[in-house]
Amino acid sequence: NAGVTQTPKFQVLKTGQSMTLQCAQDMNHEYMSWYRQDPGMGLRLIHYSVGAGITDQGEVPNGYNVSRSTTEDFPLRLLSAAPSQTSVYFCASSRDRGDGPLHFGNGTRLTVT
Amino acid sequence: GENVEQHPSTLSVQEGDSAVIKCTYSDSASNYFPWYKQELGKRPQLIIDIRSNVGEKKDQRIAVTLNKTAKHFSLHITETQPEDSAVYFCAAKTSYDKVIFGPGTSLSVIP
Repeated sequence: NAGVTQTPKFQVLKTGQSMTLQCAQDMNHEYMSWYRQDPGMGLRLIHYSVGAGITDQGEVPNGYNVSRSTTEDFPLRLLSAAPSQTSVYFCASSRDRGDGPLHFGNGTRLTVT
Repeated sequence: GENVEQHPSTLSVQEGDSAVIKCTYSDSASNYFPWYKQELGKRPQLIIDIRSNVGEKKDQRIAVTLNKTAKHFSLHITETQPEDSAVYFCAAKTSYDKVIFGPGTSLSVIP
């Protein structure tokens, strides 16, 4: 099992550009989520999904969109990148509805100039 | 909204001493409380978790306690070793299936 795979590992964007961070898991987990990690602020929940076709907002959803058309994939879209979105992004999945361990990907380091 | 607070933000202990990290949560319906360890440049990994129907759980040198009435839970690491140096995060699963993290504690174990 590859677990949770995130691509790309690094990305530099200019302000106003859009892009999609990819996340895929091969563990047949129903629950998937996206976090951003900034120094001193821990992991903040952006969006999450309890199953295919279902998504919901987390703590900091503004400027981000998600979709969940399959169990395996949960892409995160930045609509119009801003310097405030410079961060490390982690995708995670869980077998239960957040009631079990989160399995994290290796993260994507995004810089917006 | 849902919130998880964590203290202290930094902690420095001598090798062999104990370390305690404390967290509080706001959603009284929260029922699952995991702890994650994150080494520099790596992803967070689960080290221990506790559910709301249990007051304490131990795994070798690590223990977690939960006080549902006071809405706080704590991580205890005994006989600390240099490899315990990392950032530790507490989290709580809310009634809306969100997993909310605390801001983290940077633990340094001095040999």
